[in-house]
Amino acid sequence: DAKTTQPPSMDCAEGRAANLPCNHSTISGNEYVYWYRQIHSQGPQYIIHGLKNNETNEMASLIITEDRKSSTLILPHATLRDTAVYYCIVRAAGNKLTFGGGTRVLVKP
Amino acid sequence: DSGVTQTPKHLITATGQRVTLRCSPRSGDLSVYWYQQSLDQGLQFLIQYYNGEERAKGNILERFSAQQFPDLHSELNLSSLELGDSALYFCASSTGSPHQETQYFGPGTRLLVL
Repeated sequence: DAKTTQPPSMDCAEGRAANLPCNHSTISGNEYVYWYRQIHSQGPQYIIHGLKNNETNEMASLIITEDRKSSTLILPHATLRDTAVYYCIVRAAGNKLTFGGGTRVLVKP
Repeated sequence: DSGVTQTPKHLITATGQRVTLRCSPRSGDLSVYWYQQSLDQGLQFLIQYYNGEERAKGNILERFSAQQFPDLHSELNLSSLELGDSALYFCASSTGSPHQETQYFGPGTRLLVL
């Protein structure tokens, strides 16, 4: 599975949108972009995933560039409970998840 | 709540001992994955089972073993425990479909080896 690069940390103001970037320049055609988050030491929580098209669900939006080499996770209205480590993972269907360092997001009041 | 359950939540034991961690997947999921999260290693994949058969292996030590039972629950056995085995152990489950399939994680078992 392709490697991903994320900024190690970022701050966000409560109520504002949080835009989390991820680079995956070596992504293959059959690999999906997945986003998970981990709040403190809880189990990683699935957020969203996509292949080519932009996706939106009740938690977030995922914007994938046309060349698929990068993506952005958007939390539309960040709350204090969104403080977590966010992981961008690229994987082919059925493969294990390879977690990198993720982005530590701190939502501030 | 992901629907994946893990027991026990916490486990404290001594070096040299053996423990068993249990995972019940979401209803209908056939695939179970085990991951280890230690402070210095991050989240690491250990092993995957699909419908009772081992499907993939990661950096799992020989002292560790796992199995998936006919009712699809899985157990991770850790033996000859060392201090460095102290970690959070997560299991995740998925449908196992060959197409896109999402893994859902349980709350984890925190193991402390003294």
